[in-house]
Amino acid sequence: GQQLNQSPQSMFIQEGEDVSMNCTSSSIFNTWLWYKQDPGEGPVLLIALYKAGELTSNGRLTAQFGITRKDSFLNISASIPSDVGIYFCAGASGTYKYIFGTGTRLKVLA
Amino acid sequence: SAVISQKPSRDICQRGTSLTIQCQVDSQVTMMFWYRQQPGQSLTLIATANQGSEATYESGFVIDKFPISRPNLTFSTLTVSNMSPEDSSIYLCSVVPGQGLRQETQYFGPGTRLLVL
Repeated sequence: GQQLNQSPQSMFIQEGEDVSMNCTSSSIFNTWLWYKQDPGEGPVLLIALYKAGELTSNGRLTAQFGITRKDSFLNISASIPSDVGIYFCAGASGTYKYIFGTGTRLKVLA
Repeated sequence: SAVISQKPSRDICQRGTSLTIQCQVDSQVTMMFWYRQQPGQSLTLIATANQGSEATYESGFVIDKFPISRPNLTFSTLTVSNMSPEDSSIYLCSVVPGQGLRQETQYFGPGTRLLVL
């Protein structure tokens, strides 16, 4: 099925560093969601975005709904070892059916 | 948010057999979906579970292989039929509550890890 492109695919960072990842689409979306998936678990919703230009924070996480409505960004500040996992974006365009990104695998080095 | 449970959490099955996965939500929800996540991959939508009617399948998925039931607004089942090793995946139930301001938000269950030998 159709997927969104996430970048980077994977990254190793040092504990305490900031992390940025993005998600791009060829289609316009009305809603963007960001999830984190730990090994052996289901995806957990981190942040939901509903309006172009919206900037929303959840603790050390901040996500933005791109002005063009074709992209979204997630930033993690001061990373810690438990931030390790796979981060997925998901977009929807007026329906309840979401398209998922390819995922960004984050590994934090203590 | 909605609390979602799935049974079984994991299973190892022989090829040619079938497995039914259950999804239970703690509140009534508008939409229920079934996803497949193959090892190391992203999530692929299998179908939308419709209450009281046949599920709506995505391209590449058929009812004979993945029959789905949704008898009410809190429960759904997915059956993986005539399994082969290629069916080894995580199967995830998800819901869109459809109530309140954040009606579009989608939540996932913990997943069912299936290994077919």
